[in-house]
Amino acid sequence: DARVTQTPRHKVTEMGQEVTMRCQPILGHNTVFWYRQTMMQGLELLAYFRNRAPLDDSGMPKDRFSAEMPDATLATLKIQPSEPRDSAVYFCASGAGQGLEAFFGQGTRLTVV
Amino acid sequence: KQEVTQIPAALSVPEGENLVLNCSFTDSAIYNLQWFRQDPGKGLTSLLLIQSSQREQTSGRLNASLDKSSGRSTLYIAASQPGDSATYLCAVSGGFKTIFGAGTRLFVKA
Repeated sequence: DARVTQTPRHKVTEMGQEVTMRCQPILGHNTVFWYRQTMMQGLELLAYFRNRAPLDDSGMPKDRFSAEMPDATLATLKIQPSEPRDSAVYFCASGAGQGLEAFFGQGTRLTVV
Repeated sequence: KQEVTQIPAALSVPEGENLVLNCSFTDSAIYNLQWFRQDPGKGLTSLLLIQSSQREQTSGRLNASLDKSSGRSTLYIAASQPGDSATYLCAVSGGFKTIFGAGTRLFVKA
């Protein structure tokens, strides 16, 4: 059953704490995306990787957010320090290449209090 | 900069009706357009993918069309059912970026 797996599914943390979200893309997919979804902004692209290399992270607040792919089976999105305005659902998606279908994980619902 | 707009923002119809959801985009230089469904509190499920060289795709009661020159796509749902109630998002891919519309929230009344 090929699917994108995200952990944790839910995270509640206090302002100022570090948050790490993880994503396991579908095996064989070489493109990974991170999105943030809020009621106000909808789905926003934060960063994307191809063959583990970051191609664009212009949608990400650089001072507190960082995204990495330590290996082909793991992508991470880290927020340090977290703020209440970071509360959102964070989605990871993977694809087999440019122009091909993107598959989404179930998301991580982050609440920063 | 690519902008994606979906109309209407919300739609409520009685069961059995045929309906059309609209998506427009500003930059016609796209690789593909994808329609997704999102249920409350859930992730996104891909419904249909139309490559830039294609005009339409069909899956069951769903039919999506693409007119690149006018920057428009429509998602047609035939014989709507209460189980179709969800938010429908269109996403346009150009280069490596995928830009989403804000979605159409659909409610099908039994």
